[in-house]
Formats: sequence, C-alpha cells, structure tokens
Amino acid sequence: EDQVTQSPEALRLQEGESSSLNCSYTVSGLRGLFWYRQDPGKGPEFLFTLYSAGEEKEKERLKATLTKKESFLHITAPKPEDSATYLCAAYNNAGNMLTFGGGTRLMVKP
Amino acid sequence: DGGITQSPKYLFRKEGQNVTLSCEQNLNHDAMYWYRQDPGQGLRLIYYSQIVNDFQKGDIAEGYSVSREKKESFPLTVTSAQKNPTAFYLCASSNLRGGGNQPQHFGDGTRLSIL
Repeated sequence: EDQVTQSPEALRLQEGESSSLNCSYTVSGLRGLFWYRQDPGKGPEFLFTLYSAGEEKEKERLKATLTKKESFLHITAPKPEDSATYLCAAYNNAGNMLTFGGGTRLMVKP
Repeated sequence: DGGITQSPKYLFRKEGQNVTLSCEQNLNHDAMYWYRQDPGQGLRLIYYSQIVNDFQKGDIAEGYSVSREKKESFPLTVTSAQKNPTAFYLCASSNLRGGGNQPQHFGDGTRLSIL
C-alpha cells in the first residue's frame, strides 16, 4: 500500500529563521511528487512537481528537493505570509490516484 | 481566468437528506476528482473520472455518488447513507498527458455540516 508521511505535523518559526519540511514516501514506482500550499478555508494551491531523484525546483523562498525515499521543502528566511499548511502528494506507477500526506502546518511569527 | 469553481461554499444537511455539491472546470482537463478533508488529516479520495460517462471509486466511496455527463462538470451527491458527512470537500482536475503524472488543480472547497 502506498504511503506518504509528513513531518513535523506543526512548525513554529521566527521570521527569517530557515528550516525544512520532510515528506517520506513509500510508493510503487514513483511517477511524480507534488507539493501544495493550503491556506485556511481554501483549496490546495499547486507549488512544485518533482519527477526523479536529484531534481530540485525553486520559487521565491521555497526550494523542493527529491531523493529515492523522501522530499524536502526548504524555506529560506520565511515571512509571516508563508504561514500555511504544506501538503505533499505522490503518484504511483498506475498514475491515476494521488496519495497525500497529512500536511505540515507552518506558523511564522514576525 | 481558467479554474475550478465549487458551490456552494457552505452547505447544511438535515437527517435523511441527500445533498449535491457542484464542481465545474474550464481548464479543458480530462480527469476530475473529489476528495474529503477532515481536520488535521490528509485528503482522501472519494471518486474520480477520467472520461465522460465513466468514473471510479476511490478509498472512501460509500455513501457518495457522482455523475460525469459533461467534461466540465463532476457533481458529488452526499447521500443519507453517509453517516458522518461533516467535512471539507474538495474538487480537483488534471490533464492526462504524460500517462497521468500531471499535477491536480483544486477548487476552494465546500464545507458541509449537519443541522
């Protein structure tokens, strides 16, 4: 059975304090690893797709990386507006269903 | 602007009542999905459809029904058989090129509560 596990469940940072969010996956033949941002009361907003180990993607203060067992979302010098829940999800080799992790709730204090 | 529209934003269900959640997309995506999100939990797949007039059960389909009569529309009915319907419901769509490894894009959800 495919599994995606995110840690930590919650993370509190001071503004400017860099950190990383972890996404561990056990998926039959990974075909894509996705990161989303979700604000309260809203749907997830797509951030990144990673397809193979060693791949990296960047957007503003966020950088996503992928290994054969896990993905990291690195947040550099976060701002309060980066506060949200970050979701990780993976497609297996059947490619028709996404498996989601439980999310990491990030809170950045000014 | 292209996107996914879910309505209503809030919905209340009485005991024994069926309710239908609307999902429309103008992204010309082939595939559409319904997820349920409970507090502190990840998204769980209810149903998905990759082509008009065809759909498949996800992990938690019991108590729900769907239809796909048009490419743009994928309504979800929460039936009276669903005993714990209170949740945040999310609709998504995706392009199927590349064999199904494209990101899913989401609407802003419908929050369903019991009266």
